[in-house]
Amino acid sequence: AQKVTQAQTEISVVEKEDVTLDCVYETRDTTYYLFWYKQPPSGELVFLIRRNSFDEQNEISGRYSWNFQKSTSSFNFTITASQVVDSAVYFCALSEANNAGNMLTFGGGTRLMVKP
Amino acid sequence: DSGVTQTPKHLITATGQRVTLRCSPRSGDLSVYWYQQSLDQGLQFLIQYYNGEERAKGNILERFSAQQFPDLHSELNLSSLELGDSALYFCASSVVAGVTGELFFGEGSRLTVL
Repeated sequence: AQKVTQAQTEISVVEKEDVTLDCVYETRDTTYYLFWYKQPPSGELVFLIRRNSFDEQNEISGRYSWNFQKSTSSFNFTITASQVVDSAVYFCALSEANNAGNMLTFGGGTRLMVKP
Repeated sequence: DSGVTQTPKHLITATGQRVTLRCSPRSGDLSVYWYQQSLDQGLQFLIQYYNGEERAKGNILERFSAQQFPDLHSELNLSSLELGDSALYFCASSVVAGVTGELFFGEGSRLTVL
């Protein structure tokens, strides 16, 4: 069964600090997809990134970067020079390609608070 | 704006009642997913429809049901409501049947059961 664990329930940083959100996943499939979503205080879920299991290349998008390591089943998310607008709950999620349910399994989320 | 529309945004009702939540997917998306977000259970997958047919079921209670209509909008029906059903219900859509790409989420319908 697939499982996603975000051990950090809450993180508080001061603006301009770098912060890394951890994500560890479990799956028996060799083909799977990993996602990060952001849920700002307004409540909607905003897609940030998708990664498939065959692509371990790290990705950088502006102040955001993602480190995918299959050896440790981790897909960590780093925000560089954090800003107050980054305050949100961040969810890591997993989908198995062979899962007939086609469902997205979410981690418990990490609440990030960026203080000015 | 994801392009996914959910109504109502907020709903307050009493135990034992029945409510219907509505979702209009993005234009062109054939697949609709329903998720429930509660404090104790987190984000849980409920059910998925693809082009009018049920494709997958998650942790959906028997008191809950859903359907997808020919125009591709979907409704989630919650009956015999209990206090524990209070949650944020999300609808998401995607072009394909499987979750291999981005899911576009609506803003959610917040249900409060008193």
